[in-house]
Amino acid sequence: SAVISQKPSRDICQRGTSLTIQCQVDSQVTMMFWYRQQPGQSLTLIATANQGSEATYESGFVIDKFPISRPNLTFSTLTVSNLSPEDSSIYLCSVDSGGGNTIYFGEGSWLTVV
Amino acid sequence: QKEVEQNSGPLSVPEGAIASLNCTYSDRGSQSFFWYRQYSGKSPELIMFIYSNGDKEDGRFTAQLNKASQYVSLLIRDSQPSDSATYLCAVPPAGGTSYGKLTFGQGTILTVHP
Repeated sequence: SAVISQKPSRDICQRGTSLTIQCQVDSQVTMMFWYRQQPGQSLTLIATANQGSEATYESGFVIDKFPISRPNLTFSTLTVSNLSPEDSSIYLCSVDSGGGNTIYFGEGSWLTVV
Repeated sequence: QKEVEQNSGPLSVPEGAIASLNCTYSDRGSQSFFWYRQYSGKSPELIMFIYSNGDKEDGRFTAQLNKASQYVSLLIRDSQPSDSATYLCAVPPAGGTSYGKLTFGQGTILTVHP
């Protein structure tokens, strides 16, 4: 199985600031995915990050708020911009480590906005 | 109608019993399904992938898929207190591409009491 590392694991941020979350995978993958899990809720896909192209965002998520970088096949970042308390969530990176039947998640990044 | 629906529970079963978790989906073209377990304060952990109609067994876990009725279930035999968690059903887009773009149900909270 793929080993997916996320940084930071937790952070407390002031409203109006930004937080960049890093996701590192131990193998090369074509697509990386970013999810959000709001308190007491299930997971919602934010965007798909492909190396060498713009990220593809799901309905309700925009690049200005959630800019994503994908500089190579093992790394991606998600920035959550202009933070508000409503952004307090867990942000999760995931990858398909092969064949479409093994979708793994990183440990998550717990964000609290004060 | 939500695309993926689960009974949020909580479902409470005694230790040693069979826990039965259900998930229904709306897209008749969906072909594959994932079950994840999420402990409180942790990220989702993949426990089962099922593609074909019928049953798939892995240790104490059995996934059952009925495409005609559009439901997938997860049975946990000999339930243990350590199985207490939220169980998430997830469905990739129909068509067999972008498996990582999962739509999640709201999750079922399972409590196994000694």
